[in-house]
Amino acid sequence: GQNIDQPTEMTATEGAIVQINCTYQTSGFNGLFWYQQHAGEAPTFLSYNVLDGLEEKGRFSSFLSRSKGYSYLLLKELQMKDSASYLCAVEDDYKLSFGAGTTVTVRA
Amino acid sequence: DGGITQSPKYLFRKEGQNVTLSCEQNLNHDAMYWYRQDPGQGLRLIYYSQIVNDFQKGDIAEGYSVSREKKESFPLTVTSAQKNPTAFYLCASSMAGGPYNEQFFGPGTRLTVL
Repeated sequence: GQNIDQPTEMTATEGAIVQINCTYQTSGFNGLFWYQQHAGEAPTFLSYNVLDGLEEKGRFSSFLSRSKGYSYLLLKELQMKDSASYLCAVEDDYKLSFGAGTTVTVRA
Repeated sequence: DGGITQSPKYLFRKEGQNVTLSCEQNLNHDAMYWYRQDPGQGLRLIYYSQIVNDFQKGDIAEGYSVSREKKESFPLTVTSAQKNPTAFYLCASSMAGGPYNEQFFGPGTRLTVL
């Protein structure tokens, strides 16, 4: 079975940094995705990690440790538009298994 | 513009009726997927198809059916056997099944069964 855990909610101030953790126990592993989803909308791709280490894309970075079954998404210089749900998804056998998502609220 | 379309955005049906949700993509992707999203839960895979005329059950296929007669289209039927069909349904596609399988999502259909 697949077990993917993320915190349910996080709140941060505009301009700050927030780190969203994701731990997973899955039967297989090809890679790990992070998606952003605004309320009522489709998820959009943020990042993909297949090797251990940090991937940086502008204000967003994602880290993976395969031996620990752990990833995090780092959001820097938070903006109001970053208020959304962030989904961690593990790729295995050509399918994605999703965590429940972390709702981030950015306050002025 | 390339993308995935789902229609309609909102759908209401009476209990006991079958309903078909549309999903079309013009990205020339081989693989297509259907997910269901409920409040407080992650996306759960209903069915997926890696190639035309072939599809596999996902984690929660009971009460649903699909077809894949064309590469561009992957309609989902929610049957009366689905005990709790009210949910947000998302369709996705990817170039092919395999590593780095980035999925692109449609805008979703919110189904309410009355």
